[in-house]
Amino acid sequence: AAGVIQSPRHLIKEKRETATLKCYPIPRHDTVYWYQQGPGQDPQFLISFYEKMQSDKGSIPDRFSAQQFSDYHSELNMSSLELGDSALYFCASSKDSTGPPDTQYFGPGTRLTVL
Amino acid sequence: LAKTTQPISMDSYEGQEVNITCSHNNIATNDYITWYQQFPSQGPRFIIQGYKTKVTNEVASLFIPADRKSSTLSLPRVSLSDTAVYYCLVGLYSGAGSYQLTFGKGTKLSVIP
Repeated sequence: AAGVIQSPRHLIKEKRETATLKCYPIPRHDTVYWYQQGPGQDPQFLISFYEKMQSDKGSIPDRFSAQQFSDYHSELNMSSLELGDSALYFCASSKDSTGPPDTQYFGPGTRLTVL
Repeated sequence: LAKTTQPISMDSYEGQEVNITCSHNNIATNDYITWYQQFPSQGPRFIIQGYKTKVTNEVASLFIPADRKSSTLSLPRVSLSDTAVYYCLVGLYSGAGSYQLTFGKGTKLSVIP
């Protein structure tokens, strides 16, 4: 079965540079989520999109922005990178439905290292 | 969102049944209980979800007492490949098409040969 695709898998940047992470959800999934997981920490929700509109916002820094495109893929743009931004960034997708919370399917993650 | 408390770590021998209990005293009426598994450097993976009583799927069972203030994830006959962090999450639909997952401190399960 198709899974969530994230690119790149690894990214190395210098401080103050910018980075763009991409996420391709499972086909026919309409919701995309972004999570950040620092070393030894638990995943933290950043932001989500439903049908190309921002639906929820978590602890996303103002230096970060994201959007979901017409083909449902999403991009997380990170500017003025700081050392503390080094983390694993996960994208997850789900298919909205009524009733119980939808299962979120996570991608393999992008490991960002800021030097 | 309801706060969850679960053991920081657990050890188990291969072939044993493992039960991980999660406390969520302030769970709301509409909250569901969901468990995810995470291997190092991989994205979390959905295990099981329930609202009340017992739910069973091909990999685990979830027991929820009538007061719903706790829940227990049961993994039958664990193997070395079950070594992972297990997260208990409680929350509800947070907006149109969005269910924000708030991860607390998970339980690091170590399966010993």
